[in-house]
Amino acid sequence: QQQVKQSPQSLIVQKGGISIINCAYENTAFDYFPWYQQFPGKGPALLIAIRPDVSEKKEGRFTISFNKSAKQFSLHIMDSQPGDSATYFCAASTGNAGNMLTFGGGTRLMVKP
Amino acid sequence: DSGVTQTPKHLITATGQRVTLRCSPRSGDLSVYWYQQSLDQGLQFLIQYYNGEERAKGNILERFSAQQFPDLHSELNLSSLELGDSALYFCASSGDPNTEAFFGQGTRLTVV
Repeated sequence: QQQVKQSPQSLIVQKGGISIINCAYENTAFDYFPWYQQFPGKGPALLIAIRPDVSEKKEGRFTISFNKSAKQFSLHIMDSQPGDSATYFCAASTGNAGNMLTFGGGTRLMVKP
Repeated sequence: DSGVTQTPKHLITATGQRVTLRCSPRSGDLSVYWYQQSLDQGLQFLIQYYNGEERAKGNILERFSAQQFPDLHSELNLSSLELGDSALYFCASSGDPNTEAFFGQGTRLTVV
């Protein structure tokens, strides 16, 4: 049972464009929503995270938008760069940030120069 | 570098065999998590230990077991291996429950 659905599975964006990845969840008990970035041969690395008490969080070129009523959240990468080419995973957990994470299926992003 | 160390990086073994994957968490982190990443199942939580005790269990097979030792390192034991167990196995660690989990670089297991 997939509790976090992520789309699209793959995404190609031109350099300088905006990359948008969407996730939807089912479990209303989720209260921590991180995004991870994974390069080939590496482990996932925390990119940015949000809790449902805010609707948006921005860190540099990365922004999370959160819609609690729709049970959806998304990652926006502004001014996308070739170095952003990686696989991105949304995730969710209950309770605390360190609790077990339920991951989305991943989005493979390619930013063309 | 996340500070989480996993060994070995690669492991090739035959069906029916048993292997042990090792994880050293970041200094001071009490929680260790094990995840499996496969092409068809994605990233799935297996099990969590906190300060030596099992805290949460996910989709972990009965053939798999884990433990966390007094020095906080953890081992994941996989036995009676099947072809379908071929995957990347990640360990992550976190400090107290309100801190984020940091992932190691993983162990790639290939069962032939």
